[in-house]
Amino acid sequence: QVQLQQWGAGLLNPSETLSLTCAVHGESFQNNLYYSWIRQPPGKGPEWIGEINHSGSTNYNPSLQSRVTISVDTSNNQFSLKLTSVTAADTAVYYCARGKLQAWEVHLYWGQGTLVTVSS
Amino acid sequence: DIVMTQSPDSLAVSLGERATITCKSSQSVFFSSNNKNYLAWYQQKPGQPPKLLIYWASTRESGVPDRFTGSGSGTDFTLTIGSLQAEDVAVYYCQQYGYPPRTFGQGTKLEIK
Repeated sequence: QVQLQQWGAGLLNPSETLSLTCAVHGESFQNNLYYSWIRQPPGKGPEWIGEINHSGSTNYNPSLQSRVTISVDTSNNQFSLKLTSVTAADTAVYYCARGKLQAWEVHLYWGQGTLVTVSS
Repeated sequence: DIVMTQSPDSLAVSLGERATITCKSSQSVFFSSNNKNYLAWYQQKPGQPPKLLIYWASTRESGVPDRFTGSGSGTDFTLTIGSLQAEDVAVYYCQQYGYPPRTFGQGTKLEIK
């Protein structure tokens, strides 16, 4: 059974860098699907941040592209999110997710979520 | 970016009755290359991540009850819950996954009348 476990700092000051990591348990990194980061501000709908595949090819949300980096560490079965220069608008629950083989880009398995609060 | 618009924003339905949620995309998410609509539906309960219900607009994910049905093509899609159960109370989101950024609708909150 595939499980995603994520971790990272939950409280940041404005201008700091958000850093989260997601470990994939139960399988090795798959070639033909995407691993994604999605965030959800309190009381709002999900916002897609970006995705990476096994070979490191990425797609990012243009609204965040100048500040976001998603990377993969296949040797440790992990992928990571970095978001620089955070502000209060970046306060949200952040989720990692894994696609499915029949539809690479959907989000079948999800991490437990990390509430990241940006406040001085 | 493709804008996904759901209606209604909230919905109250009696147990055993049908619930219908619509989702409209600002441009077509149908790809003639593989004859597929890149549209998914998710269910989210409080304190949980979203759960994938439907992909390719009408393919039910494994383990999802058959009372959940997805339909539509191009820019107009529908999620129907055939006979509402108490455990179906949740927020439902559509998502287009054909083009990055893979945008979500604003959500429809489903409650029991």
